[in-house]
Amino acid sequence: DGGITQSPKYLFRKEGQNVTLSCEQNLNHDAMYWYRQDPGQGLRLIYYSQIVNDFQKGDIAEGYSVSREKKESFPLTVTSAQKNPTAFYLCASSSLERVETQYFGPGTRLLVL
Amino acid sequence: AQSVAQPEDQVNVAEGNPLTVKCTYSVSGNPYLFWYVQYPNRGLQFLLKYITGDNLVKGSYGFEAEFNKSQTSFHLKKPSALVSDSALYFCASLGGGYQKVTFGTGTKLQVIP
Repeated sequence: DGGITQSPKYLFRKEGQNVTLSCEQNLNHDAMYWYRQDPGQGLRLIYYSQIVNDFQKGDIAEGYSVSREKKESFPLTVTSAQKNPTAFYLCASSSLERVETQYFGPGTRLLVL
Repeated sequence: AQSVAQPEDQVNVAEGNPLTVKCTYSVSGNPYLFWYVQYPNRGLQFLLKYITGDNLVKGSYGFEAEFNKSQTSFHLKKPSALVSDSALYFCASLGGGYQKVTFGTGTKLQVIP
């Protein structure tokens, strides 16, 4: 059963805490992406990776960090430096040849306590 | 710079009537344009794409989109709306130095029974 999974579905963050969102894919895709979705703002790219052990900042990388130690996995850490983390976070993957056809995970909703 | 604009935050249509969700683009060079759909609390799903060729592109679930170069538009259409089509629709374009997909702000489609 191929696809892209994200966990947890809901995540609560306390003040000053770092939290990590998981993203795993078994589609054998080289490229993976993290987006943040806020009402009325569409999707904004946080980070993306086209190959293992390499990643690039997107439009709103401040306060976030990522790693790409395995092709299948692209975890996102929301650090305490991100002052407004409440949002819906979407992970996606694609082949390098068809970056326009991205496969999205079900999303993680991050809430601040 | 590339961008897409979705001028309507919400579109309401009666079940069985034709629907149109609007998108205009500003892209340097040849435009690569796409539509995605998002059901509540889910990730996005790819619907269709325009790369080159026929101006009328057919996609999933009976949707189609018409590329109009003179009006720089790429409107999503369906001849007969279903209640199950109610969702958030995103127009997107491909471009930029690292082949980045840029999403519009989204249009909420509400199909009324």
